[in-house]
Amino acid sequence: QKEVEQNSGPLSVPEGAIASLNCTYSDRGSQSFFWYRQYSGKSPELIMSIYSNGDKEDGRFTAQLNKASQYVSLLIRDSQPSDSATYLCAVSNTGNQFYFGTGTSLTVIP
Amino acid sequence: DAGVTQSPTHLIKTRGQQVTLRCSPKSGHDTVSWYQQALGQGPQFIFQYYEEEERQRGNFPDRFSGHQFPNYSSELNVNALLLGDSALYLCASSLEWARNEKLFFGSGTQLSVL
Repeated sequence: QKEVEQNSGPLSVPEGAIASLNCTYSDRGSQSFFWYRQYSGKSPELIMSIYSNGDKEDGRFTAQLNKASQYVSLLIRDSQPSDSATYLCAVSNTGNQFYFGTGTSLTVIP
Repeated sequence: DAGVTQSPTHLIKTRGQQVTLRCSPKSGHDTVSWYQQALGQGPQFIFQYYEEEERQRGNFPDRFSGHQFPNYSSELNVNALLLGDSALYLCASSLEWARNEKLFFGSGTQLSVL
């Protein structure tokens, strides 16, 4: 069983819409949860981090964590063409090793 | 404030050769992790270095080895290269005392094995 699972997509949304990205993880001991954005040919860039159940908002981005369901999500409001990228979910329990999903490819259509 | 720097940016090698990749962590960071990202995949953990010692290792063969220097910079060495070693190699730095917090990634080294 994969540690972190994401729908690979591609996910397409029109400009201005809400994009919803989902992630599940297998290790119940996981403590830290992250969303990274990766443009083609570039390195991952941190978008959001979340450590406790509930919602965390930062600008147009909202991360949601449900540890009971082992589920993490990322909502992108007012999606822009510049948001088109692959979004990686990452999970860590000790901080020594981060487990990444395979990523969800998002395309925002102008 | 310099971020994580990696060198070289691109590298082309042939099967059986050896390669060394280099990383300088973000200023003030003391922990360096290496990840391998194959095309279309998420980064896979190779190992992590702290206080010049390998503290944890992922599921990679002994052909992958590393080193951390007193100035916290690090090297990743891969021996007897295989075609399957072609990937983007990412270095990430962090602080030991805040190790559950975010990783800062370098721009990566794209390794092609022919």
